[in-house]
Amino acid sequence: SYVLTQPPSVSVAPGKTARIPCGGNNIGTKSVHWYQQKPGQAPVLVISYDNDRPSGIPERFSGSNSGNTATLTISRVEAGDEADYYCQVWDSSSDHYVFGTGTKVTVL
Amino acid sequence: EVQLVESGGGLVQPGGSLRLSCAASGFSFSSYEMNWVRQAPGKGLEWVSYISSRGSTIYYADSVKGRFTISRDNAKNSLYLQMNSLRAEDTAVYYCAREASAKDYFDYWGQGTPVTVSS
Repeated sequence: SYVLTQPPSVSVAPGKTARIPCGGNNIGTKSVHWYQQKPGQAPVLVISYDNDRPSGIPERFSGSNSGNTATLTISRVEAGDEADYYCQVWDSSSDHYVFGTGTKVTVL
Repeated sequence: EVQLVESGGGLVQPGGSLRLSCAASGFSFSSYEMNWVRQAPGKGLEWVSYISSRGSTIYYADSVKGRFTISRDNAKNSLYLQMNSLRAEDTAVYYCAREASAKDYFDYWGQGTPVTVSS
């Protein structure tokens, strides 16, 4: 089955840029979506189709996808961005949705 | 306003059964594909099951196939998950999630209902 791998944690200072990688075999050929989840809350979509921001999501959130790695980038990081982030794809070969392992972003 | 409200979670013994429900409102439920996603304590998100808008197409994660059954009642705007032969590893918060129209991502989630499988 298809596997998406993320680093367990990323730390970033306020005002700096956080980059969260999501690795998968030829992930560049798939559409990648990203979710933010704060403690005790349901996930919230922050990026769809590699780099589309839903209404209400700040422009500071962006994405890219090429080769074997998709990346969520959070610019000018704020304390409120501290959360877990998950990538997600649809694997048509297995008819399964797949989530990444998740990355905890800590704002120093 | 789109709302998804799960119910039916609780404590169940290993080998037992539980039926989860998800009440939908604020949108045309019968037009949307729906899913169940779970999250074990301190762990990541795991997709569980998918059902098409009319219920004609269903998919399951390998970890629950043969034990869980997803269904829906469009007249009642409700989604269900029948869980049988429950195991300790099924302990999780179970979320109901709407699939964005003709897309392959989840645009609305419920707040989740906790399921604990323990003797």
